[in-house]
Amino acid sequence: RKEVEQDPGPFNVPEGATVAFNCTYSNSASQSFFWYRQDCRKEPKLLMSVYSSGNEDGRFTAQLNRASQYISLLIRDSKLSDSATYLCVVSRGGSYIPTFGRGTSLIVHP
Amino acid sequence: NAGVTQTPKFQVLKTGQSMTLQCAQDMNHNSMYWYRQDPGMGLRLIYYSASEGTTDKGEVPNGYNVSRLNKREFSLRLESAAPSQTSVYFCASSDFGRNIQETQYFGPGTRLLVL
Repeated sequence: RKEVEQDPGPFNVPEGATVAFNCTYSNSASQSFFWYRQDCRKEPKLLMSVYSSGNEDGRFTAQLNRASQYISLLIRDSKLSDSATYLCVVSRGGSYIPTFGRGTSLIVHP
Repeated sequence: NAGVTQTPKFQVLKTGQSMTLQCAQDMNHNSMYWYRQDPGMGLRLIYYSASEGTTDKGEVPNGYNVSRLNKREFSLRLESAAPSQTSVYFCASSDFGRNIQETQYFGPGTRLLVL
């Protein structure tokens, strides 16, 4: 089993839709969780950290479920500009090395 | 404040040629990383430097060497390029150690084609 797994998609949704991605991780010692966004032919950029209690940033909501070892990202009212690949990132406590998922592709169409 | 910069942006090499990819960060971060990204493979760690003066192998170090020149700069060298090293290379830095929620900041990438 891969350490961090994501559905590669693509998720093809109309503008205004709500879409959710999940990411599962295998290492129960994981302590830090992030969602990154990567546009085509660009570098990954931090979208949001994921906190134990869940957190929201505008149209984006991230949740952590430690018992089932997954994190989720919910995007409400999708915009064309949300089209990108979303990378799930997990770090063990004390580790310098985060583990990246392979990403989930989102395409928002008019 | 430029963040993480990489040079060159693009490079074409012939098999057997050597080159060095340069990376610099101006955020006073302790840790720096080199990744490669290939279609369908995601980001794979080549080497990392937890702090100035230390370097360690990542998942795919074969065919590469690194130098942590100082706190700001971390270079990646291909001694004898092979077509399998055709990829997009990203440098990243993070403030690991001072902040448990360590975020990685990436450079814009170097697109390398080995013929």
